[in-house]
Amino acid sequence: GENVGLHLPTLSVQEGDNSIINCAYSNSASDYFIWYKQESGKGPQFIIDIRSNMDKRQGQRVTVLLNKTVKHLSLQIAATQPGDSAVYFCAENGYNFNKFYFGSGTKLNVKP
Amino acid sequence: EAGVAQSPRYKIIEKRQSVAFWCNPISGHATLYWYQQILGQGPKLLIQFQNNGVVDDSQLPKDRFSAERLKGVDSTLKIQPAKLEDSAVYLCASSLSFLNTEAFFGQGTRLTVV
Repeated sequence: GENVGLHLPTLSVQEGDNSIINCAYSNSASDYFIWYKQESGKGPQFIIDIRSNMDKRQGQRVTVLLNKTVKHLSLQIAATQPGDSAVYFCAENGYNFNKFYFGSGTKLNVKP
Repeated sequence: EAGVAQSPRYKIIEKRQSVAFWCNPISGHATLYWYQQILGQGPKLLIQFQNNGVVDDSQLPKDRFSAERLKGVDSTLKIQPAKLEDSAVYLCASSLSFLNTEAFFGQGTRLTVV
């Protein structure tokens, strides 16, 4: 599979602070990326996606940044809430359409 | 809109037994995936269907795993015989097509092989 890695396995933030979760990918041919959130006992839930022709995309309280030069992806969560506590995965489609490769995930702990 | 349905939610079997998981994707979704998620790891793609055809099964251990999507709607994943290392959550996902659209996941089936 593709090498989709995350820099930090666990991230702890204070409620109300902003969170930044990073992800490195190895395949320069990847042209579509997704961030997923996975809560305990549940399947991954789509958060936001970005295509390779964009550098930034914003959703509700979340922003994804894509740096193709260094093959780096980040997820920014504004005003982190306890409900944001989960494991976050980035996934890339590599060079195969919609064949998503996942990293090992970052666990986000939000402290009240 | 109904999500991806999977059953059963939990299954415990002894090694060398067989087991089957069922998935019903979101209505109208042509692409269906089966992923294996071992505890503490990200999901790993086992097989991808486009309608009733297999797009990729390169990471499916074909000596013991099989999957089908005969009518291009629901799908079954089977393991026979199971090994201890097959203990994992098996996730089914679907997407509208195979062209860069997000995949929606079911809740998964947690398999424990003892």
